[in-house]
Amino acid sequence: AQSVAQPEDQVNVAEGNPLTVKCTYSVSGNPYLFWYVQYPNRGLQFLLKYITGDNLVKGSYGFEAEFNKSQTSFHLKKPSALVSDSALYFCAVSSGSSNTGKLIFGQGTTLQVKP
Amino acid sequence: DAGVIQSPRHEVTEMGQEVTLRCKPISGHNSLFWYRQTMMRGLELLIYFNNNVPIDDSGMPEDRFSAKMPNASFSTLKIQPSEPRDSAVYFCASSLAWGGRDTQYFGPGTRLTVL
Repeated sequence: AQSVAQPEDQVNVAEGNPLTVKCTYSVSGNPYLFWYVQYPNRGLQFLLKYITGDNLVKGSYGFEAEFNKSQTSFHLKKPSALVSDSALYFCAVSSGSSNTGKLIFGQGTTLQVKP
Repeated sequence: DAGVIQSPRHEVTEMGQEVTLRCKPISGHNSLFWYRQTMMRGLELLIYFNNNVPIDDSGMPEDRFSAKMPNASFSTLKIQPSEPRDSAVYFCASSLAWGGRDTQYFGPGTRLTVL
């Protein structure tokens, strides 16, 4: 069965510092991995995805994520955090072998960036 | 691009009443997904459609929930009768095509409160 784990409920960083939001996954076959961000009272907004190819994926707002097959991880990173990055972040996975659009989401990690 | 449109944005109703949530996917998208978000259970996939046909409704909590997609530009999620435990934010999402590679784009959600 597919699953996603986001081991940290909350990540706190100071503005200007690098940030990492962790994600590990379990899936049969090749994984398709996604990151979404949710601001208060808003829908989920797509940040980036890994389908195949280069393990380092660049996305919106300066975010990037690195696919690590051996560690089954897809951590979200940003070199320099902004206060406006404070939000709820979701990692999600679908399976390339199941050939469906079914996404499994992690529980979410709240990112708090302090000035 | 108008994005995924959901209505109403907020709904407050009394237990036992029928509730209908509406969704207009992004034009040209062939897959549509209904999710529910709660603090306790996180983001849950309820049902999804491909080319207006329901593919998997295993996430629908019980027979009180039903979903339809009469055409490519409209879907409804109905709860009859509603119960307080149905209180949640309901999201609709759409993607271009079938299969896990395609990004799902989310609407702003409907916040449902059942008293």
